[in-house]
Amino acid sequence: NAGVTQTPKFRILKIGQSMTLQCTQDMNHNYMYWYRQDPGMGLKLIYYSVGAGITDKGEVPNGYNVSRSTTEDFPLRLELAAPSQTSVYFCASNEGQGSYEQYFGPGTRLTVT
Amino acid sequence: GDSVTQMEGPVTLSEEAFLTINCTYTATGYPSLFWYVQYPGEGLQLLLKATKADDKGSNKGFEATYRKETTSFHLEKGSVQVSDSAVYFCALSDGPGGQFYFGTGTSLTVIP
Repeated sequence: NAGVTQTPKFRILKIGQSMTLQCTQDMNHNYMYWYRQDPGMGLKLIYYSVGAGITDKGEVPNGYNVSRSTTEDFPLRLELAAPSQTSVYFCASNEGQGSYEQYFGPGTRLTVT
Repeated sequence: GDSVTQMEGPVTLSEEAFLTINCTYTATGYPSLFWYVQYPGEGLQLLLKATKADDKGSNKGFEATYRKETTSFHLEKGSVQVSDSAVYFCALSDGPGGQFYFGTGTSLTVIP
């Protein structure tokens, strides 16, 4: 089992550029999440999905978009990158709500200059 | 809304010392509680969890007890090792919507 995979691992963007962070899980989990982790801070939820075709905003959704066309994939789109989006991005998945643990990908380190 | 507050770091301990990292929570319902660990350059991994009041989660010598009366879930280990150096996150899941709420993390460094 690969678990949760993310690509790319590192990326440098110029201000105003766009990119998509890829996330795939092979555990048939309905719930998927995108977080950002800023230095010395906890994780902040950007978007989440409770199943294919269903997405919802988290705490910090501005500047991002998501889609969930399949159970496996949950890409995060950055439009018009800004320096404030420099962060480490983690994708996670979860079997169901409540007591189930979240499984995290290895992260994508993004720098916007 | 739901939230988690955990002890500020960083924490530096000598090998074999006793570790406590405090975590308190605010939730409207009956959340499940978790401790996650993040090693340098990696994603978060589940360390232990508890799903109801008075449950004790344990793993790799770490323990935490779900205390509803004090809304706490403190992490403890009797004798830390250098390999325990990492960032530890307390988290809760309140069920509806499947959302998780994470604390800000506590960095632990264990020196030989």
